[in-house]
Amino acid sequence: AQTVTQSQPEMSVQEAETVTLSCTYDTSESDYYLFWYKQPPSRQMILVIRQEAYKQQNATENRFSVNFQKAAKSFSLKISDSQLGDAAMYFCAYRSPFYGGTSGSRLTFGEGTQLTVNP
Amino acid sequence: DAEITQSPRHKITETGRQVTLACHQTWNHNNMFWYRQDLGHGLRLIHYSYGVHDTNKGEVSDGYSVSRSNTEDLPLTLESAASSQTSVYFCASSGSRGETQYFGPGTRLLVL
Repeated sequence: AQTVTQSQPEMSVQEAETVTLSCTYDTSESDYYLFWYKQPPSRQMILVIRQEAYKQQNATENRFSVNFQKAAKSFSLKISDSQLGDAAMYFCAYRSPFYGGTSGSRLTFGEGTQLTVNP
Repeated sequence: DAEITQSPRHKITETGRQVTLACHQTWNHNNMFWYRQDLGHGLRLIHYSYGVHDTNKGEVSDGYSVSRSNTEDLPLTLESAASSQTSVYFCASSGSRGETQYFGPGTRLLVL
């Protein structure tokens, strides 16, 4: 079974600075998907960014980017120019590949990193 | 716009009572999922469904059941609520190819 580990329960960053959240995972599969979700105090789960393992290029979404190291099974999230609205719990998640038929794969989540943004 | 909704948003019940949490999505997604979120555990999968009349157990399914009679709804039932089931419950859905899962707003359940 796949496991996802977020080793930083809490992180803090100054507004406008850059912060990196860590995530490692364990899998025997060669093709898979990785996600970062953001959960603000409202508790809504919001997709931040997604990475397909077969793609060598790191995904980016505006101020959010990932450093995907497949061999090391590492998937870190970098937030540039941090804003007060970035304060939230961030979850890393793993999904197995789509094999066809009725395979709609489940997500395996890490325990989350609570990010505080200081003004 | 397509969306996924959950009701009620907050629920207080007593130990031993049967409770049903509703989940409704208008994405026309085949796949639907129920998770619970507890401090220190992230989100853990309770049950999931890949289509009408299909249901599967997740990693923490004991004490819970689901049924899928149409594409839009996957209600979660706690047969006999226990204090250990106090949690925040999230419903999610995704397309047949299992792309990105979209989450509902969550239901906070307190079992006294």
